[in-house]
Amino acid sequence: QKEVEQDPGPLSVPEGAIVSLNCTYSNSAFQYFMWYRQYSRKGPELLMYTYSSGNKEDGRFTAQVDKSSKYISLFIRDSQPSDSATYLCAMSGGTGNQFYFGTGTSLTVIP
Amino acid sequence: AAGVIQSPRHLIKEKRETATLKCYPIPRHDTVYWYQQGPGQDPQFLISFYEKMQSDKGSIPDRFSAQQFSDYHSELNMSSLELGDSALYFCASSLGPPGTGELFFGEGSRLTVL
Repeated sequence: QKEVEQDPGPLSVPEGAIVSLNCTYSNSAFQYFMWYRQYSRKGPELLMYTYSSGNKEDGRFTAQVDKSSKYISLFIRDSQPSDSATYLCAMSGGTGNQFYFGTGTSLTVIP
Repeated sequence: AAGVIQSPRHLIKEKRETATLKCYPIPRHDTVYWYQQGPGQDPQFLISFYEKMQSDKGSIPDRFSAQQFSDYHSELNMSSLELGDSALYFCASSLGPPGTGELFFGEGSRLTVL
């Protein structure tokens, strides 16, 4: 079983829709959580970073961490065609640990 | 703002040749990570360095080696290249000990082995 599970999709939504992306994990020690956006053949771009639990909002993006359920989410409001990319979640248990990645969810926003 | 700089961006090698990838982390970042990403896959952790010393090792083949220099830049050396080594290689850096803080990636080096 992988440390981090993420539905690979693909996910296709109309422009303006609210997108919900999710990851589950098994290691209760994880406390650093990140979401990345990766365009084809480009480096992953850090979108959201959360330490421990709770919500964080940045523009159209909201990240949620539910440590009791070992579940994290990324919401994209008013989705745009430029949001079409692969979204990766990543997490770590802290000092001395690796970052573990989900397999990525492919998102297409249709104009 | 300065980002993680990787070179070269593209590299084509023959089987059994050697390749060297370079990474310049974000200034003041003291941890560097190397990842390998195949098509449609998530990044696979290879190796990390903290304060110029190897911190952790992942699925890095014995044919590969890496080091971090006094100016914090890092190099990944790959020898006896195989067709299966063709992939995107990413360097990432973070501020603080490995496994903590925000992880920033470079644009990657695409290695093609013929």
